[in-house]
Amino acid sequence: DGGITQSPKYLFRKEGQNVTLSCEQNLNHDAMYWYRQDPGQGLRLIYYSQIVNDFQKGDIAEGYSVSREKKESFPLTVTSAQKNPTAFYLCASSIVRQGWNGYTFGSGTRLTVV
Amino acid sequence: RKEVEQDPGPFNVPEGATVAFNCTYSNSASQSFFWYRQDCRKEPKLLMSVYSSGNEDGRFTAQLNRASQYISLLIRDSKLSDSATYLCVVNPHTNAGKSTFGDGTTLTVKP
Repeated sequence: DGGITQSPKYLFRKEGQNVTLSCEQNLNHDAMYWYRQDPGQGLRLIYYSQIVNDFQKGDIAEGYSVSREKKESFPLTVTSAQKNPTAFYLCASSIVRQGWNGYTFGSGTRLTVV
Repeated sequence: RKEVEQDPGPFNVPEGATVAFNCTYSNSASQSFFWYRQDCRKEPKLLMSVYSSGNEDGRFTAQLNRASQYISLLIRDSKLSDSATYLCVVNPHTNAGKSTFGDGTTLTVKP
């Protein structure tokens, strides 16, 4: 079955560390996205990419970096510059054409700073 | 004012009740609209797209009112399994890209 896979499910980061969250999809979707969700809040866009080797900042890109070297993969690095990284991180993908039908989400990564 | 606003609830209803949620948006040029369901500590899952003509899927009906800039979700004959947070999503394009999510409305259906 096609889908979108995020790993790890839980991640603990020490102060000052960079960590990388993995996101892989086999849906042949052109676009991929990273969202952050804090308790009781909606999703906020960190970065998105609509084609390989190109990506755009979302609303809260500071302290994060991404790459899109392959269509299937869109890893997110949470750098030490991100001051409050504890959150639920969701990766999503979608087609990019008229009549698109929303996003498919991965099961998420819970990041905690210890 | 937020771009997309939802009543956070919680909505507590008995089984079998009909419940409706509204979601207002500020960008009049918005083109794509969706309702997602999110269970506790899980990822959001697409419930239904929202069209100007309205659409229905079983007990769920979604409507779009462009003049007043809101979308609605109606759930009939509520089930215990409908308990979740419902997120509305608004997008300025017809072909994907950056969307704005509401903060969600929490529904609890009780026996």
